[in-house]
This record gives sequence, structure tokens and C-alpha cells, in this order.
Amino acid sequence: DTGVSQDPRHKITKRGQNVTFRCDPISEHNRLYWYRQTLGQGPEFLTYFQNEAQLEKSRLLSDRFSAERPKGSFSTLEIQRTEQGDSAMYLCASSSTQGARSYGYTFGSGTRLTVV
Amino acid sequence: DQQVKQNSPSLSVQEGRISILNCDYTNSMFDYFLWYKKYPAEGPTFLISISSIKDKNEDGRFTVFLNKSAKHLSLHIVPSQPGDSAVYFCAAGKTGANNLFFGTGTRLTVIP
Repeated sequence: DTGVSQDPRHKITKRGQNVTFRCDPISEHNRLYWYRQTLGQGPEFLTYFQNEAQLEKSRLLSDRFSAERPKGSFSTLEIQRTEQGDSAMYLCASSSTQGARSYGYTFGSGTRLTVV
Repeated sequence: DQQVKQNSPSLSVQEGRISILNCDYTNSMFDYFLWYKKYPAEGPTFLISISSIKDKNEDGRFTVFLNKSAKHLSLHIVPSQPGDSAVYFCAAGKTGANNLFFGTGTRLTVIP
């Protein structure tokens, strides 16, 4: 297993455009998380999936954001009508139910979004 | 509001010496804590964790200490190596919740 994969690594888009990011978690992990990190800050929680069910969403996740995990495997995060404030690193992570407390999450390398 | 705080944005240490990174939290409901290490252009990598029922956990050169009464934890790296140079994030979680709260990170530079 190659860990958590995210695609693309970088995305530059014009304000008002829609963007979609993909995350492939570790195959044995049933939990998947999306976080956002801006310059000088730590990662901030966006949303959480257990298998295909989206069980929690942060208030940071405005109605322009939507996430899916259709078959409990890969996940997509879509941002509609992007704004400059959406510029950030979007991190995906996965974990097993038993391992999250002791071993934390496995993060991907992230997708860096720049909205111009 | 920032529930997990790392008040030192940066730290420089000589190779072979001890590095001590500090973290404070405000929410007494947190019952487990983790440290992550992040290199440029990579995602954070899990380093070590500690449950609130313990006050110390050790893994090789890395030791995490937890002081619940002070709501403070620290990561000790002994001896420090140049490859330890990275940004270190403290994170906290609570039973029943599905997210972690991260600090703003401390950039450690180990000088050869």
C-alpha cells in the first residue's frame, strides 16, 4: 500500500470556478477525513466519513463545499464558485477505527489550491 | 477559538542536544494527544501519542509528557538530529468526537 494519495498536488483556478479534489485512502482504513491548512496555521477539520457515510461536517464547510465517498473507498471534495479565501492546502487523511487514538491519522501530501 | 496552542513558532537546537517542544490546551475534555511532524510539500506524519491516563510515553528518541493539571504537554527529542528539522504539530482529541484539534506548529531546526 502506498499510503494516502491525493490528486492533484496543485491547482490554480480563477475565482468563481468549480474545483474537485480526489483522495484515495489506505485500503484497510474505514475512516476518512478532510482538513484544510492555511499559512501559519495547523490543519483544521472539515469533514469525516465512516465508510460511505458522511458523519460529521465542520461549520467551516460552507454550502459551496461538498464531499462524497461513494463506495466507501476514494473520496472527492468539490468547491463551487471558488473565492480567494479558499486558497489553502487541502489535506485528506485516513485511519482505522481502532487505530485513530493510538496511531493517529495517515495524511496524504495534500492538494494546494490557489484561487486567483 | 484556538483550543490547542503552540506558543513558540520556532526553535533551534544543536545536533546531539535535547529539543523540547511545548503545547498547551484549553479543553479539559481532551483525552488523547498526538504529535505530528511535517516536512515541506508533505502531509503531517504521526510521531507519538499519549492517553490522558498516562503522564509519559516514550518511543525511541521521542518522549511525550502530559501534565493534565496544567493542561500542558511537551515533546522531548534526545538526541536531536539534523533530520529532525521539520514543523511539529501538537493535536488533541476526545472520545466520541471524530476530529482532532491542531496547534499552529513549531518549526524545529537542528544545527549540525
